[in-house]
Amino acid sequence: ETGVTQSPTHLIKTRGQQVTLRCSSQSGHNTVSWYQQALGQGPQFIFQYYREEENGRGNFPPRFSGLQFPNYSSELNVNALELDDSALYLCASSAGQGFSSAYEQYFGPGTRLTVT
Amino acid sequence: AQSVTQLGSHVSVSEGALVLLRCNYSSSVPPYLFWYVQYPNQGLQLLLKYTTGATLVKGINGFEAEFKKSETSFHLTKPSAHMSDAAEYFCAVTRMDSSYKLIFGSGTRLLVRP
Repeated sequence: ETGVTQSPTHLIKTRGQQVTLRCSSQSGHNTVSWYQQALGQGPQFIFQYYREEENGRGNFPPRFSGLQFPNYSSELNVNALELDDSALYLCASSAGQGFSSAYEQYFGPGTRLTVT
Repeated sequence: AQSVTQLGSHVSVSEGALVLLRCNYSSSVPPYLFWYVQYPNQGLQLLLKYTTGATLVKGINGFEAEFKKSETSFHLTKPSAHMSDAAEYFCAVTRMDSSYKLIFGSGTRLLVRP
């Protein structure tokens, strides 16, 4: 059974650029959640996708957008990068909607984004 | 609205000593509570969770936590610390809406002295 994978592992971008981060969910999981973890802080919820539809969003501006594909993999896109976007971006996959999406949530290793 | 407070950004214990990491939550409805561990340059790993039923929850690696509604607490303990326990620990509560997103505390870094 393959776990949650994320790519790339590290990324350096310049302020104003756009970035795409990718996540492959664990086999059998159809829900993907994205979190931003700034240095020294706990992860903050960005949004969640269930069966290719957005299913909840945190307090992040519209320049943070996402996609989920038919195979349940997912992308996080960030436009007009700002210095404060520098963080570890974590993807978590789970099976089902609602409570089960939090009950058994498996995290990937994250993508470290640095914006200069 | 749900929130989580972790007291102490750093906790240092000697190897073999008791580990106690504190977590208090705020929730207007019965919460679901979690503890996650994060090793350097890795993602989060679930240690244990409380949803309903028994208030003392046992997790992996010898950790356990007790849900105390009257104290709105969910402290994490381990009787005897190992060097391998050194990591960042996060307490989390679920937001009770369709996303059931996790709301995390700011984390506690556990240092284990030889």
